[in-house]
Amino acid sequence: NAGVTQTPKFQVLKTGQSMTLQCAQDMNHNSMYWYRQDPGMGLRLIYYSASEGTTDKGEVPNGYNVSRLNKREFSLRLESAAPSQTSVYFCASIETDSYNEQFFGPGTRLTVL
Amino acid sequence: QKEVEQDPGPLSVPEGAIVSLNCTYSNSAFQYFMWYRQYSRKGPELLMYTYSSGNKEDGRFTAQVDKSSKYISLFIRDSQPSDSATYLCASNTNAGKSTFGDGTTLTVKP
Repeated sequence: NAGVTQTPKFQVLKTGQSMTLQCAQDMNHNSMYWYRQDPGMGLRLIYYSASEGTTDKGEVPNGYNVSRLNKREFSLRLESAAPSQTSVYFCASIETDSYNEQFFGPGTRLTVL
Repeated sequence: QKEVEQDPGPLSVPEGAIVSLNCTYSNSAFQYFMWYRQYSRKGPELLMYTYSSGNKEDGRFTAQVDKSSKYISLFIRDSQPSDSATYLCASNTNAGKSTFGDGTTLTVKP
């Protein structure tokens, strides 16, 4: 099992460009999450999907959109990147909301110039 | 006020020391308490998981939760250089969606 995979690993964008971060899990988990991690600010939830076909906003959703393509895949889109979106992005999955171990991907390091 | 506050660190200790990492939380509905370990440039991974109050031990690691004072602790005995990482506490209710502390970076020097 690969667990949770994320692509790309690194990305540099110019202000105003768009891109999609991809996430996939092969553990048959129902719930998936997108976080951003900034120095000294821990993990902040951007969006989550409790099950296939549903998505909800987290703590910091502005400037982002998500798609739960199927049970395996959950993508995060930046429509018009801003320097404030420079961060490390982590995708995570969990079997169900009642089971609490989240499995994290390796992260995507995004720089917006 | 953040729902989960973590001692910021960084923390630097000699090899073999006992390490204490601490968090407080404000949401009385939190029932599950986790500690994640994150190595540099990697994703977090679950280290310990506790339900409600009490202690849980796993090798050199002990997780402790005191719900009366809303205090969460992780103790590392006989610390090793391989324990050098950022440690994140997290809490949630029965409905999922963990709330994370900001993390404490630990360095164990040989």
